[in-house]
This record gives sequence, structure tokens and C-alpha cells, in this order.
Amino acid sequence: RKEVEQDPGPFNVPEGATVAFNCTYSNSASQSFFWYRQDCRKEPKLLMSVYSSGNEDGRFTAQLNRASQYISLLIRDSKLSDSATYLCAVKGWSGGYNKLIFGAGTRLAVHP
Amino acid sequence: DTAVSQTPKYLVTQMGNDKSIKCEQNLGHDTMYWYKQDSKKFLKIMFSYNNKELIINETVPNRFSPKSPDKAHLNLHINSLELGDSAVYFCASSQDGSGLYTEAFFGQGTRLTVV
Repeated sequence: RKEVEQDPGPFNVPEGATVAFNCTYSNSASQSFFWYRQDCRKEPKLLMSVYSSGNEDGRFTAQLNRASQYISLLIRDSKLSDSATYLCAVKGWSGGYNKLIFGAGTRLAVHP
Repeated sequence: DTAVSQTPKYLVTQMGNDKSIKCEQNLGHDTMYWYKQDSKKFLKIMFSYNNKELIINETVPNRFSPKSPDKAHLNLHINSLELGDSAVYFCASSQDGSGLYTEAFFGQGTRLTVV
């Protein structure tokens, strides 16, 4: 089982749609959670950290469910510019040190 | 100012050659990483250094040898390149490898093609 799993998609949605991504992780000792965005042929960039109480940044809402070991990202009112791959990342103790592990990413394509 | 910079951006080389990728960060971070992103876009951690000390080695073939001359630099040397080494290699850094919510900043990536 992969340490961090995501639905690869692609998610094809029209502008203005609401779309949700889920991510599950296997290490119950995980402590920190992030969503990154990666554009085609570019490096990943942090979109938002995911806090225990959930957090929102404009059209983006992140949630954490520790009991079920999953995190989610909700994008409201999708824009063409949201088209990208969204990577879930989890940091936690494994093998005696902290590791930042990424999921394989979920591709989002927003069309007019 | 580029926070994490890698060189070269593109690298095309023949099987069996030895090549190096350099990475530098000007963020004052303590921890640096090498990730490999294959054709399926899976971003896999290879190595992590904290204050020049190797702390993560994720079962990478010993043809790959990282070197950290100081905490701002982490280079990756690859011996006897194989076709399967073709991928994008990302360098990253974070403020403290053991801290919570310490995001990683990535370099632009080095696209390695072995022919």
C-alpha cells in the first residue's frame, strides 16, 4: 500500500464548478499535511497547509480527518487557471526521522 | 532572487555516462531534499540532508551519491546512467526537517533524459 494515495483523475469540470479531491495516508504518526499545486513542466508549489480544524483560503477549503486518515481539498467556483495537478503531501515520523511524502497527484482540467 | 536553484535545467546523456546536478538554496534552510518524478508524475523522495548530514536514504541505488558541502548546497552525482534514470529530479529545502508545517520549497527541476 502506498503511503499517500490520491485519485489520479483527471477531473474535467466546467468553469464555476465545485470540485473535491481526497487523499488518504497510511502512517498514523503523520503530523503535518499539505496541498501542493504543480503546473505542467513546473515545480510543485505550496497551495495550503491543512490544519486539524480545517482551513479556508478564498475558494479553497482543506479538511483533515485523523480518525479516517484522509485529507480533502475543495475548490469552489473553478477557474480556467485552476487547471493543474494537485499533490497531497504528508509529513510524519517514519524510520526514526521526519519524511515529507507526496501522493501521485490528481489532475484537474477546467474547461470553458 | 531564486530561492532554490538547480542546474542544469535539461540534461541529455548517453547510457553509462556519469553526471551531476547541482542545487543551491538561499533561504537559510537547514534541510534539503532530492525527489525524483517519473513519467507517471509520482514524486518520490530519494535523499534528505539536515545541516549537511544525511538523514534519509530511500533505498536508492548506490549509483546515486548526494553530497552536501554546506547546508545551502546539495548536489547529486549519478554514475553509470541507465535508461530508467530518465526523470525530472527536484531539489527542495525546508526550514527545519523535524518541525511541523514547515513547507518545502522546490527548485525548477532537472529533466534528465538518458539515451
